[in-house]
Amino acid sequence: DIQMSQSPSSLSASVGDRVTITCRASQGISSCLAWYQQKPEKAPKSLIYAASSLQSGVPSRFSGSGSGTDFTLTISSLQPDDFATYYCQQYNTYPLTFGGGTKVEI
Amino acid sequence: EVQLVQSRTEVKKPGESLKISCKGSGYTFTTYWIGWVRQMPGKGLEWMGIIYPGDSDTRYRPSFQGQVTISVDKSISTAYLQWSSLKASDTAMYYCARRAYGDYLDYFDSWGQGTLVTVSS
Repeated sequence: DIQMSQSPSSLSASVGDRVTITCRASQGISSCLAWYQQKPEKAPKSLIYAASSLQSGVPSRFSGSGSGTDFTLTISSLQPDDFATYYCQQYNTYPLTFGGGTKVEI
Repeated sequence: EVQLVQSRTEVKKPGESLKISCKGSGYTFTTYWIGWVRQMPGKGLEWMGIIYPGDSDTRYRPSFQGQVTISVDKSISTAYLQWSSLKASDTAMYYCARRAYGDYLDYFDSWGQGTLVTVSS
């Protein structure tokens, strides 16, 4: 299985901050990476696919980059609605695997 | 509007069987794969398996093969996840999710609201 590791596991930030989350794959996955946002007691929501393509309806303050093994999710100006846990997922190879999550707290 | 509506919370005893459901609407159900994702209490997301409603082609994560069964009834646009003998370790939130459309896009663009399964004696 391809292992996905995220860092940090949690971070504290303020409204307006620029936030960057890193996801690393245990082997190359091309650009087959998605990012999700999950709020407490809610289902995950798709944010980004193909490493850098924004899902329809997602605010442009979210962006993704990377290819191969190293990827980042950036929130350019953190908003109150963005406090949540973020997960990466690789889909280059089955079984599909997720990172452990990054919790963004106030 | 794409919607995946899952069945209600379940409380079961070890050894009991269970089948939970996920009904799709707002799109052509038979042309999108439906996956199942487990989230144990306080933990991350774990992909369990995926099914194509058009022909019931199914793939499982090896660790779930033989532990659960994924099925579909395309006549009512509903996918299922079932257990024949639950264990306490099956206690988790289970999400169904729609795989995006297109080649090499095995990520999930829409999610159900989740079904909480609690297994306790």
